[in-house]
Amino acid sequence: DADVTQTPRNRITKTGKRIMLECSQTKGHDRMYWYRQDPGLGLRLIYYSFDVKDINKGEISDGYSVSRQAQAKFSLSLESAIPNQTALYFCATSDPLAGLSYNEQFFGPGTRLTVL
Amino acid sequence: DAKTTQPPSMDCAEGRAANLPCNHSTISGNEYVYWYRQIHSQGPQYIIHGLKNNETNEMASLIITEDRKSSTLILPHATLRDTAVYYCIVREGQGGKLIFGQGTELSVKP
Repeated sequence: DADVTQTPRNRITKTGKRIMLECSQTKGHDRMYWYRQDPGLGLRLIYYSFDVKDINKGEISDGYSVSRQAQAKFSLSLESAIPNQTALYFCATSDPLAGLSYNEQFFGPGTRLTVL
Repeated sequence: DAKTTQPPSMDCAEGRAANLPCNHSTISGNEYVYWYRQIHSQGPQYIIHGLKNNETNEMASLIITEDRKSSTLILPHATLRDTAVYYCIVREGQGGKLIFGQGTELSVKP
């Protein structure tokens, strides 16, 4: 089974709808991240969480919110979806106890979201 | 903004070494160089990282210049499955966030 899973894998929705993307991990990592990727571009950080009680905005948090329900779960919500939020969304985890310099992030398979 | 500059694309013949350059002229003393790759819309995958010494693992080698202003990722014997976008990222060692640039699209050809 995959260590980092995302649901749904694909979603088509309409402008103005509320939508939630979910991420679950079995790696036991405290840190979790949400990124979006637009065609031909690199990933951009939306939100990140270093533990259940810690939530931080990334580069592009406007229009998004997150919830860290448990160590293993980190959800991303679009309260009122708009077409320019059409993108590929990735969740990732990392383990700070892996050492000062070694903070590899493990990525999920992605959710392809289309807002019409 | 990303703190690295990479060529947008490169080609490599199968079985040959692929050398991917990265410039990071504004890197500071506590920042590490990380390399990730992304195979066709899959989640990015960690390859290797380093601070100032050259590093090697089962996937690749990382050569960092003495002034740390540039580095090269080396895939010693590229295969078709190495076709991907390769991202060079500079980040702080402790809790720094990953800031992705546009990366280098490597095409390995038969």
